[in-house]
Amino acid sequence: RKEVEQDPGPFNVPEGATVAFNCTYSNSASQSFFWYRQDCRKEPKLLMSVYSSGNEDGRFTAQLNRASQYISLLIRDSKLSDSATYLCVVNHGATNKLIFGTGTLLAVQP
Amino acid sequence: EAGVAQSPRYKIIEKRQSVAFWCNPISGHATLYWYQQILGQGPKLLIQFQNNGVVDDSQLPKDRFSAERLKGVDSTLKIQPAKLEDSAVYLCASSPLSRAGPYEQYFGPGTRLTVT
Repeated sequence: RKEVEQDPGPFNVPEGATVAFNCTYSNSASQSFFWYRQDCRKEPKLLMSVYSSGNEDGRFTAQLNRASQYISLLIRDSKLSDSATYLCVVNHGATNKLIFGTGTLLAVQP
Repeated sequence: EAGVAQSPRYKIIEKRQSVAFWCNPISGHATLYWYQQILGQGPKLLIQFQNNGVVDDSQLPKDRFSAERLKGVDSTLKIQPAKLEDSAVYLCASSPLSRAGPYEQYFGPGTRLTVT
């Protein structure tokens, strides 16, 4: 079983739509959680951290459910520029080691 | 602020040949990471350095891969001999010292390796 599992997609949505990505992780000792964004043929970049209380950054909302070992990302009012791969990332241990999911591909259509 | 630099950006070699990649992290970042990203997958950590010491190399195929970080700054990753399945993007990342971590990891543009 993979440590971090995501639906690879692709998710094809029209502009303005709301889209949600889900992710599960297997290591209950995981301490920190993130969503990274990766554009085609580019490097991953941190999108946002995920906190137990849930957190929002503009059109993006991230949620964490430790009991279910489940992480989500909600994107409202999708823009063409949101088209990318969204990587669910888990950090466990004091060494800052990141475990990446396979990523979910989002394609926002005009 | 300059980002993480990597070279070369692209490399094509034949199987059984050797290849080396170079990384220069963000100035002042004590921790350096090498990742392998195969097409359609997320990055997988190969090795993590803190200054010039190895913190984690549990997923590094040590029979063919080696890495070093002399003087705790630049790093090189070498593959010898290469196999077809080594075709991937090799990403270098750096972060500040993870004393109270976690800290954001900043990635370089990667080196795209094709083994034929």
